Amino acid sequence: QSVLTQPPSVSGAPGQRVTISCTGSSSNIGAGYDVHWYQQLPGTAPKLLIYGNSNRPSGVPDRFSGSKSGTSASLAITGLQAEDEADYYCQSYDSSLSGSDVFGTGTKVTVL
Amino acid sequence: EVQLVQSGAEVKKPGESLKISCKGSGYSFTSYWIGWVRQMPGKGLEWMGIIYPGDSDTRYSPSFQGQVTISADKSISTAYLQWSSLKASDTAMYYCARRYSSSWGDWGQGTLVTVSS
Repeated sequence: QSVLTQPPSVSGAPGQRVTISCTGSSSNIGAGYDVHWYQQLPGTAPKLLIYGNSNRPSGVPDRFSGSKSGTSASLAITGLQAEDEADYYCQSYDSSLSGSDVFGTGTKVTVL
Repeated sequence: EVQLVQSGAEVKKPGESLKISCKGSGYSFTSYWIGWVRQMPGKGLEWMGIIYPGDSDTRYSPSFQGQVTISADKSISTAYLQWSSLKASDTAMYYCARRYSSSWGDWGQGTLVTVSS
């Protein structure tokens, strides 16, 4: 059972803005550990989308942005496009699990 | 270009053993942690454990400790995930990934393991 909670699904029309929350606790996000985000298109391996809370790897469109505050983090997608339909996962480190990386529960983004 | 190439799909029976591989190229294999992630059918990502090929330091998620073994052969830039006795519940896609700082920046294509009698 994941210690990082995400909404199961979010949806939006093309061009709209959607946000995905990632709620943790004082042993992971709240402890100051970085949050990273991954995009998993259907049938493919996950891809790093945001690292270090708010940084985009080379090649990731600036429509994707990340933020972190307290025990939570968020991923925002502005100007939603059909190709953004995918599963999104947050990831951090948790000091209460003998020192383990943890993934969020995952969020399915649907473009209406 | 960093590449992680995993071994092919496997179909096994319960109780059988299995070792899958992940070959790294395009970077210094001994200088980065390599990890394994499980994705059961229709489910989310689960971190299993990591290994530092430089000195074989290995750490496991509590959920997977004792259930699998992670190893690496730095002479051939390859990491491994193995089971001594598979169960039907091990049926899943398994990904290897390279850890950069605290994120997983590069991923293998995945290895599908099917365990069925």
